[in-house]
Amino acid sequence: KQEVTQIPAALSVPEGENLVLNCSFTDSAIYNLQWFRQDPGKGLTSLLLIQSSQREQTSGRLNASLDKSSGRSTLYIAASQPGDSATYLCAVLERGGGNKLTFGTGTQLKVEL
Amino acid sequence: KAGVTQTPRYLIKTRGQQVTLSCSPISGHRSVSWYQQTPGQGLQFLFEYFSETQRNKGNFPGRFSGRQFSNSRSEMNVSTLELGDSALYLCASSGGASAEAFFGQGTRLTVV
Repeated sequence: KQEVTQIPAALSVPEGENLVLNCSFTDSAIYNLQWFRQDPGKGLTSLLLIQSSQREQTSGRLNASLDKSSGRSTLYIAASQPGDSATYLCAVLERGGGNKLTFGTGTQLKVEL
Repeated sequence: KAGVTQTPRYLIKTRGQQVTLSCSPISGHRSVSWYQQTPGQGLQFLFEYFSETQRNKGNFPGRFSGRQFSNSRSEMNVSTLELGDSALYLCASSGGASAEAFFGQGTRLTVV
């Protein structure tokens, strides 16, 4: 059974800091891995998707890497801003599992002025 | 291009009642998945429909059911509501080789 873990559970940083969020998964037979952002009471916004054959993806100040063999992904946020405050979730899609995503428990990020 | 639309956004129901939630996926997407999000359990997979057929099912009681129509719109139904069913229900739409999932804004269900 796939299990996804995110560390840390919560993070508070001053504006402008670069930060790294971690995601680990137990079964490396994945099709892809997605990072999402969730604002309180809202739905999930897709940030980055990494296919199993890829090592990293970049979008603006965000960079996500994937090391399938070790079961790890990281989300790097450069020059953090207060608007980045949200919960960040990673989710894996397993091969042959249809479109069922297994989610981590999230990292709650607060960027302070 | 319109995103994923969930209706209604908020619902308050009484224990024992039933409820139906709706999800309209992104045009062209044939896969719709449903998730329950609670503070204690996080995001849990309910089921997935693809081309009107249930393709995957999570570990939820039979009170939770769903269906998908020929236009890919999906509904989920919860019968005999319990207090523990209070949650944010999210639906995701997927399509294409990347299988990227796009989520709606969710339906907040409160059972009193």
